[in-house]
Amino acid sequence: ETGVTQSPTHLIKTRGQQVTLRCSSQSGHNTVSWYQQALGQGPQFIFQYYREEENGRGNFPPRFSGLQFPNYSSELNVNALELDDSALYLCASSDAGTSGTDTQYFGPGTRLTVL
Amino acid sequence: QKEVEQDPGPLSVPEGAIVSLNCTYSNSAFQYFMWYRQYSRKGPELLMYTYSSGNKEDGRFTAQVDKSSKYISLFIRDSQPSDSATYLCAMRTNFGNEKLTFGTGTRLTIIP
Repeated sequence: ETGVTQSPTHLIKTRGQQVTLRCSSQSGHNTVSWYQQALGQGPQFIFQYYREEENGRGNFPPRFSGLQFPNYSSELNVNALELDDSALYLCASSDAGTSGTDTQYFGPGTRLTVL
Repeated sequence: QKEVEQDPGPLSVPEGAIVSLNCTYSNSAFQYFMWYRQYSRKGPELLMYTYSSGNKEDGRFTAQVDKSSKYISLFIRDSQPSDSATYLCAMRTNFGNEKLTFGTGTRLTIIP
């Protein structure tokens, strides 16, 4: 069984640029959630995708957007980067709809630095 | 007020000690409670998963949930240096999507 993978591991961008982060879900999982974790803080929910549709969104502006593909992998896009977007971006996959197995398993994260 | 409060520590204890980590919450709709362990510069790793009130034991780890007090705990027995990490509590409701609400995390160091 393959775990959750994310790419790239690290990324440095400048203010105003755009970035795309990628996530491959764990085998058999149909749901992907994205979280932002600032230094010294707990992860904050950005949004979730279930079977290619957005299934809930946290308190993040529209410049944070996402996609889920038919193979359940996902992308997080952030436009017009701001300094406060510097954080660890975590992807978590789960198998929604299967009783008792809807726990979220996290990938290693992508560390984004905005200069 | 945050929905989930967790003492950020840091917490340092000698090897072999019993560690107690806690979170309080304000949303009575939370039904599922989790503890994640996060090593430095890594993603969170699921340790314990509990539904509603009660205790759950897995090896050296015990999770307790008291919904009447809106209080959850994680106990680590016979603590090891490899337990040194940040411990995050997380919880969610039974409605709609599976959004997790996390505490800020407690940084734990086990001293050999």
